[in-house]
Formats: sequence, structure tokens, C-alpha cells
Amino acid sequence: DTAVSQTPKYLVTQMGNDKSIKCEQNLGHDTMYWYKQDSKKFLKIMFSYNNKELIINETVPNRFSPKSPDKAHLNLHINSLELGDSAVYFCASSQSLAAYNEQFFGPGTRLTVL
Amino acid sequence: AQRVTQPEKLLSVFKGAPVELKCNYSYSGSPELFWYVQYSRQRLQLLLRHISRESIKGFTADLNKGETSFHLKKPFAQEEDSAMYYCALASNAGGTSYGKLTFGQGTILTVHP
Repeated sequence: DTAVSQTPKYLVTQMGNDKSIKCEQNLGHDTMYWYKQDSKKFLKIMFSYNNKELIINETVPNRFSPKSPDKAHLNLHINSLELGDSAVYFCASSQSLAAYNEQFFGPGTRLTVL
Repeated sequence: AQRVTQPEKLLSVFKGAPVELKCNYSYSGSPELFWYVQYSRQRLQLLLRHISRESIKGFTADLNKGETSFHLKKPFAQEEDSAMYYCALASNAGGTSYGKLTFGQGTILTVHP
């Protein structure tokens, strides 16, 4: 029944490793997002996809690469992890790109880079 | 550029007292504004949006374009209102910013018994 799910919930890894976070939504939405929440709880958008097409690509290091195999999935792959990548990453979805739409958030993935 | 400012990081009130969480925004167009809430151990969820003009859980928010504000108010706070509150603005502009949601820094509301 979960609307937006993410795996894993926790991820602890060493600097320099490559890791992926998966996101799935079963709401039939067209648009999906990745957000980063830093240690001060500040939420910032990283990417948005609409019907598998990249729409928003904020100033994010190119070590971060999103991939949307279909409308229901948006994965985030991170290469050469750095200490500063430690954060909580949230996936979200909305019915469409329209600005008035509610966004539905996943539970978050807490990434710790040692 | 769009920006959202929540000047209070922490706000404490007693149960039954009025509460107001401040939000100011900067945006050149006509904004879509939201309040999202994150209760302890729950996911971030929409509380209300200005387009709906509704009251949710006793909370209301009025868009004041002159003061570029969207403050969240409740006349009588309850303990279950304790949470992190985010004000957010979505871009109506076309192009690659369309639908982009910009969040404020968040305000942690604590309602004491």
C-alpha cells in the first residue's frame, strides 16, 4: 500500500565507493523527484523527471546520476562518494509537473559516508 | 530566482496558545505556496496549499502578495501539532524550473502541555 517507497532506508559506506538508492511509486504519477536534506534539515531539490524525461537538474556534482527506467521508478546512483554526501535523500512524486500539485514523499534514505 | 525564508528555526508555545509560523518568499511571478509538515518518525506530507484556501487541522495560511508572506496560523495549539514545518514555493514559470519546489529552512514547533 505504500505510495512512495525507497530502498535502502540506511546506507553506510566508505569514501570512494559507488552506491545506488532506489525509488518506486505506485500512485500512477508522471513526475518524480530527488531531494537532499542536509544536517540542518534543509531540503533542496536535486532532480525531477517527467515521463522518464529529465526536467530539473540543479547544480549537483556529476557524480550523481539519476535514472528513470519507467514512470514508476527513479533511481539515484552516486559515484566516488565523499564525506559531504552524507545526508538524507528523499524521493517524491506528483501527478504532473504542474506547480499546484501536491508532492508525495518517500521515507528517506539516510546515507552516511565514512 | 525563487527563495523562501522561515525566520524562526525553533518555536515553542503552550497548549491552547495561538501559534504563527512565519514564511516570506521571493519570486518574480505568481507563486504556488504550500506548507508541508513532518511529524516525528513520519514522512514529509502536505499540510495545506494556498490555492485550496482550506483549513487543515485548524491551521490556515493566507497569501499576502504585498508583504510576500504566507504565514501559518492556528488559534489554539495542540500537543500533537509538535513537528517540523516547511514552507515551500513552486515555480509557475515554464522551462526547466516548472514545478520546482523550493523549501524554507523549516521551523520546529514544540507545543508544551
